[in-house]
Amino acid sequence: GQQLNQSPQSMFIQEGEDVSMNCTSSSIFNTWLWYKQDPGEGPVLLIALYKAGELTSNGRLTAQFGITRKDSFLNISASIPSDVGIYFCAGPRDDKIIFGKGTRLHILP
Amino acid sequence: DVKVTQSSRYLVKRTGEKVFLECVQDMDHENMFWYRQDPGLGLRLIYFSYDVKMKEKGDIPEGYSVSREKKERFSLILESASTNQTSMYLCASYSFGTSGRHTEQFFGPGTRLTVL
Repeated sequence: GQQLNQSPQSMFIQEGEDVSMNCTSSSIFNTWLWYKQDPGEGPVLLIALYKAGELTSNGRLTAQFGITRKDSFLNISASIPSDVGIYFCAGPRDDKIIFGKGTRLHILP
Repeated sequence: DVKVTQSSRYLVKRTGEKVFLECVQDMDHENMFWYRQDPGLGLRLIYFSYDVKMKEKGDIPEGYSVSREKKERFSLILESASTNQTSMYLCASYSFGTSGRHTEQFFGPGTRLTVL
């Protein structure tokens, strides 16, 4: 089936550092979605991207829709402890949403 | 501000029991989904429904069935629970906006099911 490949699988960073993660696909998506899942909770949508090349920010988060439509990037600036969690990329395909396997972010004190 | 609710946060059942997981959304969404989430495997789609009484198999439907009798309610059924169905189960719903753009897909808080 369709796959979204996320990297890295996990990250260990110091508080205050910037974070970059990405998502790639072998096929084109017309919408890219980025979710965050806090421990023990369901995922929550952070940013939605609808146009190739689009760069969208939500506070300290910035996401970009790759120009080829086959990738997307999420950056977090000046990380804080509450940024800990799993970040998923996703894209609608027919009536479904396809998810990557997630990037788990750990923040060291 | 309740959007998607799931009947239980934690559930413990025995092998062979019939298990019902209920999901209710209050946003009048057409599409509803059941996923399971396991470490290292991400979110895997079990079943989804795009209308009342309609259902479609996802990537891992074996051992599960679903019911959508009302628009707001989507139930996941484990006919005979097995230990390999121990997992976190997440329900979600969404609909496309009038512009054709995807609107936010809301997830429930999840049900952590343990089958002994």
